[in-house]
Amino acid sequence: GAVVSQHPSRVICKSGTSVKIECRSLDFQATTMFWYRQFPKKSLMLMATSNEGSKATYEQGVEKDKFLINHASLTLSTLTVTSAHPEDSSFYICSARDFRREGETQYFGPGTRLLVL
Amino acid sequence: GQNIDQPTEMTATEGAIVQINCTYQTSGFNGLFWYQQHAGEAPTFLSYNVLDGLEEKGRFSSFLSRSKGYSYLLLKELQMKDSASYLCAPMDSNYQLIWGAGTKLIIKP
Repeated sequence: GAVVSQHPSRVICKSGTSVKIECRSLDFQATTMFWYRQFPKKSLMLMATSNEGSKATYEQGVEKDKFLINHASLTLSTLTVTSAHPEDSSFYICSARDFRREGETQYFGPGTRLLVL
Repeated sequence: GQNIDQPTEMTATEGAIVQINCTYQTSGFNGLFWYQQHAGEAPTFLSYNVLDGLEEKGRFSSFLSRSKGYSYLLLKELQMKDSASYLCAPMDSNYQLIWGAGTKLIIKP
């Protein structure tokens, strides 16, 4: 399967700071990238979908000014958590899809564990 | 509404076979995925079914019945490393994956 990387894998920050998470598709061009968050023992929650070169589509209840998504190229998407607060602490996972090659299959990055103090 | 029903937890013995069932209700349907997720890690892709029937891939097989809104994942020759959560994720008419909490599979020696 396709390889997706995420960086950093773990980050601890102070409340009020911003954190940027990078998601890269390493061996394919991702026509679409997805950002999820997951709380312990809970299901994945889709935050937003982004297509290269266009604005991200945010799910209901997700603040787009707080969770900034940039899909600048076919291999890179970034999620910036602005003015992070302790309730933003979670496991953030990106996934990528190459529709032309893999159809609808999403391949996940390893995730980023964010802890806001 | 959209709904997924999987057992919360299952226990099986190393070397045995286990079947994890999933029933779903979605607005439209564009196939169903199974993912494996080890504790503290991101999901990894196992299988994709879009037509009725059984798809076999090594020790893992996945079955789909669209008319019944039913799928199962069959794991053979269980190994300790198969201890993980297994997520059934149907895709709706908007090509969006619908996620449940998954089934935690515990393998005992």
